[in-house]
Amino acid sequence: DVKVTQSSRYLVKRTGEKVFLECVQDMDHENMFWYRQDPGLGLRLIYFSYDVKMKEKGDIPEGYSVSREKKERFSLILESASTNQTSMYLCASSAPPYRGENTEAFFGQGTRLTVV
Amino acid sequence: DAKTTQPPSMDCAEGRAANLPCNHSTISGNEYVYWYRQIHSQGPQYIIHGLKNNETNEMASLIITEDRKSSTLILPHATLRDTAVYYCIALPKNAGGTSYGKLTFGQGTILTVHP
Repeated sequence: DVKVTQSSRYLVKRTGEKVFLECVQDMDHENMFWYRQDPGLGLRLIYFSYDVKMKEKGDIPEGYSVSREKKERFSLILESASTNQTSMYLCASSAPPYRGENTEAFFGQGTRLTVV
Repeated sequence: DAKTTQPPSMDCAEGRAANLPCNHSTISGNEYVYWYRQIHSQGPQYIIHGLKNNETNEMASLIITEDRKSSTLILPHATLRDTAVYYCIALPKNAGGTSYGKLTFGQGTILTVHP
């Protein structure tokens, strides 16, 4: 059974803390993504990566950074957490088209982060 | 990527077919239509995708109009567990493209299946 696993389901952090959200996939996918989801705003792309050590900004990268040191792991980093980063964070992975297989994205269960 | 338009909400009786429309009038020739759904408190789940032919899998059927400007996702026998937000997304699938499979989610359609 294919899986995208996020390290925490719920997380509470203090303002100013450095926060790491971890995501691991076991499907050997090249593409990995981080989204956040807020009521009324839907899912918005923060960062994505199409290969190890490669990263691209999504639509709302401000206040975030990412790390992709290994193919299976994609980390989202909040350098100095703020209350407006309280949100549901979703990680996803997919195979690129040139692999000739289905390219649907698989999502993790999400991490609900509260910054107080 | 082409913009998609969906009704904000729909209702369906349990056991009946749920037909969810999507308008994508600006879709380009190399863009596929993907459908995902998100059940409350879970991550989105892939349902089906297609280019121009109708598609069917164990979850649903996808009907794409001949001009490709709209499509309909059909859940043939809706159950209470199909209550979710359904997203229609246009996504390029060319091997040389730089989309890297980035999904741009709209607001989707909230489908409520009633007993």
